Parts: sequence; structure tokens; C-alpha cells
Amino acid sequence: GQNIDQPTEMTATEGAIVQINCTYQTSGFNGLFWYQQHAGEAPTFLSYNVLDGLEEKGRFSSFLSRSKGYSYLLLKELQMKDSASYLCAVRDDKIIFGKGTRLHILP
Amino acid sequence: DTGVSQNPRHKITKRGQNVTFRCDPISEHNRLYWYRQTLGQGPEFLTYFQNEAQLEKSRLLSDRFSAERPKGSFSTLEIQRTEQGDSAMYLCASSPRGGESYNSPLHFGNGTRLTVT
Repeated sequence: GQNIDQPTEMTATEGAIVQINCTYQTSGFNGLFWYQQHAGEAPTFLSYNVLDGLEEKGRFSSFLSRSKGYSYLLLKELQMKDSASYLCAVRDDKIIFGKGTRLHILP
Repeated sequence: DTGVSQNPRHKITKRGQNVTFRCDPISEHNRLYWYRQTLGQGPEFLTYFQNEAQLEKSRLLSDRFSAERPKGSFSTLEIQRTEQGDSAMYLCASSPRGGESYNSPLHFGNGTRLTVT
């Protein structure tokens, strides 16, 4: 079966660091994506991991451990505009999404 | 490249009516996906195409849902005999095929919001 788990909601403070975890169990694996989705808008691509390790892209980093079926998205120097849902998605030829983590940023 | 285009943006229909949505992907993308999203949830996979071939349809999808991509370009999603539970945002996304483009992400349209009354 296919299962992707991530926390439903998280809260963090402006300027801080937050880590959003994702665990997955899928019949196949050909990469993991993170997307950002603001309320009422379409998801937009943040990062992609297919090999174990950390991928850094500005304030955002994403980590993958294939043996553990685990990934995290790390957001640094949080800004109010980072308030959004963050979606973990796994490619098993087709791409399936987790339910998303709603991140609230407090001033 | 004008991005993924979906029409209409909003659709209000009465229960029992049929509706059809259209998606125009990015022109060089040969993979096309349909997802459904309700408030507070992630996109739920419905079906996807490689060119005109439908590769998979979600087992959770009832027979009232059908999708086509007749010439490998635009796609349509039809819902027959709509029910109130069909109310959702229907998202279309496209990407290049696998292989060297395997890390290419999905590009989403702005979606069609369906309300069934």
C-alpha cells in the first residue's frame, strides 16, 4: 500500500528554525518532493531528493533517508510569508501526496 | 510557456448534473495528472496520463469519474451524476516524462473549484 505521514499542524516563531518531518511507505520509490501551498493557491515546488542526504536551497533544506523511509524539510530564518501548508510527495512513477502540514508563524 | 491552464475556475452545479473540466498542460510536457483536494487535506491522486495513454486510475475513484486525453495534449475530467461529496478543488498538473527528466517537478494549474448543491 501507499502511506505518507506528516504532522497536521506546527507553530513556530518568526526568525526561528522549524523542521517538518515526513515518513513514507510506498510500493516503489523514485524520489521525494516538497511543495509549498498557500491558502487558495496551487502547490509550488520547493525541493527534490532521490539520494540519501541533505539538499540545501537558500533558507530551505530537505533531507532524505531511503532506508528509514524518512524525509524532513528544514526552514530557517522564518518569515511571516512562510505561513502555508507544506506537502510531502513521493514518486512511485505516479506522484502521491501526504495530507500536508499547516505551518503557523507567530510574530 | 504559459503554464498549466484549467477551465473553468469555478463551477456550481446541482446534484445529479454532469460536469466537465478542461486542463491544458505545458506544451512540451507529456505527463498529465488529475488530483482532488478538499480543505485541510493534501492533493488526492485521481489519474494520470503519458501522452494519450491513461496509465492508472485511483481505485478510490467511482465509475462516475472519467478522464481523457485524446490527442496527448489537453485533458478533460468528467463527473457524471454529481454528488455533494464531489465538492472539492480539482487540480491538474503536468511534467516531462521520466528518465533524464525524472527529477522534474509537477507544475500545477490554479484548479477548478466545484460546488455541488
